[in-house]
Amino acid sequence: SQTIHQWPATLVQPVGSPLSLECTVEGTSNPNLYWYRQAAGRGLQLLFYSIGIDQISSEVPQNLSASRPQDRQFILSSKKLLLSDSGFYLCAWSPGETQYFGPGTRLLVL
Amino acid sequence: RKEVEQDPGPFNVPEGATVAFNCTYSNSASQSFFWYRQDCRKEPKLLMSVYSSGNEDGRFTAQLNRASQYISLLIRDSKLSDSATYLCVAHSGGYQKVTFGTGTKLQVIP
Repeated sequence: SQTIHQWPATLVQPVGSPLSLECTVEGTSNPNLYWYRQAAGRGLQLLFYSIGIDQISSEVPQNLSASRPQDRQFILSSKKLLLSDSGFYLCAWSPGETQYFGPGTRLLVL
Repeated sequence: RKEVEQDPGPFNVPEGATVAFNCTYSNSASQSFFWYRQDCRKEPKLLMSVYSSGNEDGRFTAQLNRASQYISLLIRDSKLSDSATYLCVAHSGGYQKVTFGTGTKLQVIP
């Protein structure tokens, strides 16, 4: 069966510091991968999606970037965090239309 | 107008009650629909897909009304463990065309 991992689970970072969140999927090959952010009390905002290695599409322009160096690895990065980057970051994989989420990373920028 | 709209609630219902949530979508090109459940500080998990003919899974029934562009979720015989936020999802084709509602919070009271 397929499993999706994210780390770290929680992160507290100062404004202006860099960020790297990692997502890996097991048990499938060539999945569609997604990064979402969920701010407190708000809906899921799609940030990036990827249909293959080094194939990244951005949905919302901001100070975040994503990379997919391997088939089942998806990384979310920032060079300088903003206060508004705080939130719950969710990675998801999809074989088609249905999406399956990882456990998420809770990020607090101070 | 949001693409997918839900009443945020909360819906406070006693154990054993029947509760129904509606979700409206504005994109008539939406093809597939889903309900997800999200527990507090956890990732969303797929509850069920929504088919045009309606579908049932135990105490849960989902229905789609394309003419009026809404989907519904009915929960019968509510359990304390049903307490969660229920997210409505519309998929309009393409890898990125997935829109989540902001969710409806359900609290089942003993």
